[in-house]
Amino acid sequence: SQQGEEDPQALSIQEGENATMNCSYKTSINNLQWYRQNSGRGLVHLILIRSNEREKHSGRLRVTLDTSKKSSSLLITASRAADTASYFCATDPRMDSSYKLIFGSGTRLLVRP
Amino acid sequence: NAGVMQNPRHLVRRRGQEARLRCSPMKGHSHVYWYRQLPEEGLKFMVYLQKENIIDESGMPKERFSAEFPKEGPSILRIQQVVRGDSAAYFCASSPGQGAVNEQYFGPGTRLTVT
Repeated sequence: SQQGEEDPQALSIQEGENATMNCSYKTSINNLQWYRQNSGRGLVHLILIRSNEREKHSGRLRVTLDTSKKSSSLLITASRAADTASYFCATDPRMDSSYKLIFGSGTRLLVRP
Repeated sequence: NAGVMQNPRHLVRRRGQEARLRCSPMKGHSHVYWYRQLPEEGLKFMVYLQKENIIDESGMPKERFSAEFPKEGPSILRIQQVVRGDSAAYFCASSPGQGAVNEQYFGPGTRLTVT
């Protein structure tokens, strides 16, 4: 069964506003990663946060991780129309020596110009 | 440094035919992963391979699906006797190898349509 669940499922904001997406998961993890997918395209890796980290920044992206609540959030500040995409969290549970990632169902972000 | 390559990008097959999807990992990467994505859904893990070895195939359907990553050449995901429900985007990812960090790099995907 799918481990990660994002909310909201869809988000529509005005250019310049901030966008916050949340991800919850069920089992312990080695790390959590966020990916972006433009419509009909492949996935682009955005940021990885390890289980012993609480916050990480990359440009306009800020990711937090709360392992006690098994949740993470992705904040995109000063959004642009080009940020319109689907955003997925993926957990690395590192079970049974497998390196598979478990993806959530995604948040579809629309940034209106 | 070329990224993960997948071909074909689009594949149309009639029910009952075979589909072969190819994935060339990034240079220096020895781990390959296959994921399937249905419309409006997230990616679901299928199989994880290293050169000449299947490490985890817990996400692979028991029948009709197989994967390999030979010593030489690309990784192949093979679907025999395709059915309409196999229509999806199939993504390959690669990573350098075992370690604390498992950052996977994704290819552009193969969109399979079964008619």
